[in-house]
Amino acid sequence: EVQLVESGGGLVQPGGSLRLSCAASGFTFSNYWMSWLRQPPGKGLEWVANIKQDGSEKYYVDSVKGRFTISRDNAKNSLYLQMNSLRAEDTAVYYCARLPFSDTSSGWSGVHFDSWGQGTLVTVSS
Amino acid sequence: QSALTQPRSVSGSPGQSVTISCTGTSSDVGAYNYVSWYQQHPGKAPKLMIYDVSKRPSGVPDRFSGSKSGNTASLTISGLQAEDEADYYCASYAGSYIHWVFGGGTKLTVL
Repeated sequence: EVQLVESGGGLVQPGGSLRLSCAASGFTFSNYWMSWLRQPPGKGLEWVANIKQDGSEKYYVDSVKGRFTISRDNAKNSLYLQMNSLRAEDTAVYYCARLPFSDTSSGWSGVHFDSWGQGTLVTVSS
Repeated sequence: QSALTQPRSVSGSPGQSVTISCTGTSSDVGAYNYVSWYQQHPGKAPKLMIYDVSKRPSGVPDRFSGSKSGNTASLTISGLQAEDEADYYCASYAGSYIHWVFGGGTKLTVL
């Protein structure tokens, strides 16, 4: 069974930093792209960042570029999100999700998020 | 304001069918057949219900179906059951710069 367990959330002041972690189990972590998404309280979902299987490609939503860094440690089956210069609008539940993306000669597949963790709440407030 | 537009709420009685729409643009929903739908119960993580517009992951009942016409995708739930009451979000791949966009979510109430 696929399991994704986030940790590291909490209360942080504006301008502060936080590092989120996501522990993966039940599948071969190194075979999958992984993603972070977030959901502000009472609002909808927003994609935040993706990272390729070997960490060689990373993509971010514009609002976090230059402030957030996604990374992974395949030996530890773990995904991370380093968040710096945090703002009030970054307050949200942050989810890690598996992205089963594949680009082959037949085309693309897996352009969706097929497993999600339970999320960790990040609150940015003074 | 979300990139994709969904109705804030829909409702139906047990056994009935409901359809939730998701309207985007020619740069996202209209451009790619990579629309997915997620179900979220209160306090829980989202769950994938539909991907690639109309495909169901294993374990998702065939009461759930998806379709797309132009810039609008739709999720239809037939034979409504009490456990279907949840928030539903659509998402679409939107190209290499924006990547994914989501709808604002639709609250389904089973009367």
